[in-house]
Amino acid sequence: DTGVSQDPRHKITKRGQNVTFRCDPISEHNRLYWYRQTLGQGPEFLTYFQNEAQLEKSRLLSDRFSAERPKGSFSTLEIQRTEQGDSAMYLCASSLSPGDMNTEAFFGQGTRLTVV
Amino acid sequence: GQNIDQPTEMTATEGAIVQINCTYQTSGFNGLFWYQQHAGEAPTFLSYNVLDGLEEKGRFSSFLSRSKGYSYLLLKELQMKDSASYLCAVNTGGFKTIFGAGTRLFVKA
Repeated sequence: DTGVSQDPRHKITKRGQNVTFRCDPISEHNRLYWYRQTLGQGPEFLTYFQNEAQLEKSRLLSDRFSAERPKGSFSTLEIQRTEQGDSAMYLCASSLSPGDMNTEAFFGQGTRLTVV
Repeated sequence: GQNIDQPTEMTATEGAIVQINCTYQTSGFNGLFWYQQHAGEAPTFLSYNVLDGLEEKGRFSSFLSRSKGYSYLLLKELQMKDSASYLCAVNTGGFKTIFGAGTRLFVKA
């Protein structure tokens, strides 16, 4: 297992277009997180999955954003009608956390989105 | 509201010790993480504190005081490769973890 992988690594899109990012977590990790990070800031929480269930979604996530994790494996994050303000690094992380335990999250390399 | 504060930048000398502070005010608390992030790379886990006290791991130590909403990361025997951003992150419950803006550490020779 090579860790959390994200695809694509870079995406340039025109304003108004839709984009979809993919995240493959570490095998058997039950928790999956999406974060957004802009230059000079820490990762900003977007949403979280426990297996296939999306348990929490940030209020910062507008209706243009949707995430799925079918079958509790890989996840996709879609942004519809992109805006220039969506330009950021989109990070995916996963963790293996039984029950109520917290364990560290392993991050992917991210997808850098540029909206022109 | 949720608030995590860290200094924006710090500079230290190779071989020295540096302490990076983090204060937090969150609606819930279920543990505090420290991550290291080199420029252009993903964050990597350094430490986790859920109870008060000091956790030591090699050159890195992390301290937590829940009553004060305060943590610090201590880096000893600084090396040039320690130049990076250090992110303080709080799990606020429900397995949601929020991050501070990070502290950029510059290690000079």
